[in-house]
Amino acid sequence: EIVMTQSPATLSVSPGERATLSCRASQSVSSNLAWYQQTPGQAPRLLIYGASTRATGLPARFSGSGSGTEFTLTISSLQSEDFAVYYCQQFNNWPWTFGQGTKVEIK
Amino acid sequence: EVQLLESGGGLVQPGGSLRLSCAASGFTFNSYAMSWVRQAPGKGLEWVSTISDSGGSAYYADSVKGRFTFSRDNSKNTLYLQMNSLRAEDTAVYYCAKAERFAGYSFPGNWGQGTLVTVSS
Repeated sequence: EIVMTQSPATLSVSPGERATLSCRASQSVSSNLAWYQQTPGQAPRLLIYGASTRATGLPARFSGSGSGTEFTLTISSLQSEDFAVYYCQQFNNWPWTFGQGTKVEIK
Repeated sequence: EVQLLESGGGLVQPGGSLRLSCAASGFTFNSYAMSWVRQAPGKGLEWVSTISDSGGSAYYADSVKGRFTFSRDNSKNTLYLQMNSLRAEDTAVYYCAKAERFAGYSFPGNWGQGTLVTVSS
C-alpha cells in the first residue's frame, strides 16, 4: 500500500496570503494524484487531478504541481472560503490512499 | 448536474448488518465506475470499494474484504453497499463517488453528501 504523507498538519495563513501544501508518496505515483478540499460538515470537493489539472470551475488561484513522489498544492491568495482541510490522494495503485490532511486556518 | 444521494445509514449493533444505497442522476450511469469512501468521526478519508461500470468487477479495501459487498443496478441508476459483521471501527460517514477517468486511471470526482453509519451497542 502506498502511504501518502502531507505537511504541515496545520497551516496558519492570513487572508490574501499564499499557501503552499505538500504531499509525499512512499513510492512513485507518476502524475496520478488528486487534491480535495473539505469544509466542516461537507463532502470532499475535487480540486485538482492528474497532479496539475484544475477541476471544472475551480478558480485559477489554485494550482497543483509535481510528479513521482513529491507534490504541491498552491493557493495564491487565500480567500475566506478557502479555509478548510485539504487531502491528497493517489490513484496510481490499488488501494487508493489518501494523505492525513492539512488544515488551513486563519492566522 | 451530477447528483449522488446516499441513504440507509443508521445505528447498528456490533455484528449486525446494514445496506447503504446511492441514487445517481445527471450522467450516463452505466458508463462509469463508482466508489465508496468513508470517513470516521474527526478522521481522514479511507477508500472502501470500487465497482466497474458493468458491475462485473469490484475491488475492496482489506479492512472490509469478506464483510462488505458492492453491487449496482444500472436499470435503476443505484448503488448498494451490503455491510455485514459490522465492527465499531466501521463507524463513519460513507460517501459514494463517481469515478472519473484520467490517462487510463480512475479517481473519485463527484461525491455525494454521505450517510452516517454508527456501530455501537
